[in-house]
Amino acid sequence: AQTVTQSQPEMSVQEAETVTLSCTYDTSESDYYLFWYKQPPSRQMILVIRQEAYKQQNATENRFSVNFQKAAKSFSLKISDSQLGDAAMYFCAYRGSQGNLIFGKGTKLSVKP
Amino acid sequence: DGGITQSPKYLFRKEGQNVTLSCEQNLNHDAMYWYRQDPGQGLRLIYYSQIVNDFQKGDIAEGYSVSREKKESFPLTVTSAQKNPTAFYLCASSLTGTGKETQYFGPGTRLLVL
Repeated sequence: AQTVTQSQPEMSVQEAETVTLSCTYDTSESDYYLFWYKQPPSRQMILVIRQEAYKQQNATENRFSVNFQKAAKSFSLKISDSQLGDAAMYFCAYRGSQGNLIFGKGTKLSVKP
Repeated sequence: DGGITQSPKYLFRKEGQNVTLSCEQNLNHDAMYWYRQDPGQGLRLIYYSQIVNDFQKGDIAEGYSVSREKKESFPLTVTSAQKNPTAFYLCASSLTGTGKETQYFGPGTRLLVL
């Protein structure tokens, strides 16, 4: 069975600085998709970024980028120029052949002004 | 506007009572999902449906039931058999049920037991 592990329950970053959130996963599949979702206090789940496992190039969305290391089964999220609105829970998720998402337990990110 | 709606935002259940959470989408998505979120936990899959009139159990289906009579709707019933129903419930949908499609989420329903 696939598993997703986020080893940092909480992280803190100064406004305008850069922070990296860690995620590792375990799978025997070769074709899969990885996602980072943001959950602000409103509790709405918002897609931040996605990565296809067959693509070697790391995905980027504005200030958000990933470091995808397929052999190491690592999928970290880098947030550059952190803003107050980035404060939220961040969930790493895996989606394999069955189609459903498997989530990590989340990392709570605080942004200090 | 296209999107996923869930109602109600808050729901209170009495002991021994069945309650139904609504999830509607107008994105023309084939696949729909129900997740449960507990404090300090990630989301766990309850049920999912890849097509109308078909659905499968997820990891924690006991005490829950669903139906998928229409493409747009995927209601979740929390039965009296679910002994610890207090949680935040999220509905999601994706264009198809294959692995490559992104899932989009509704705003959630908070269920509390009186």
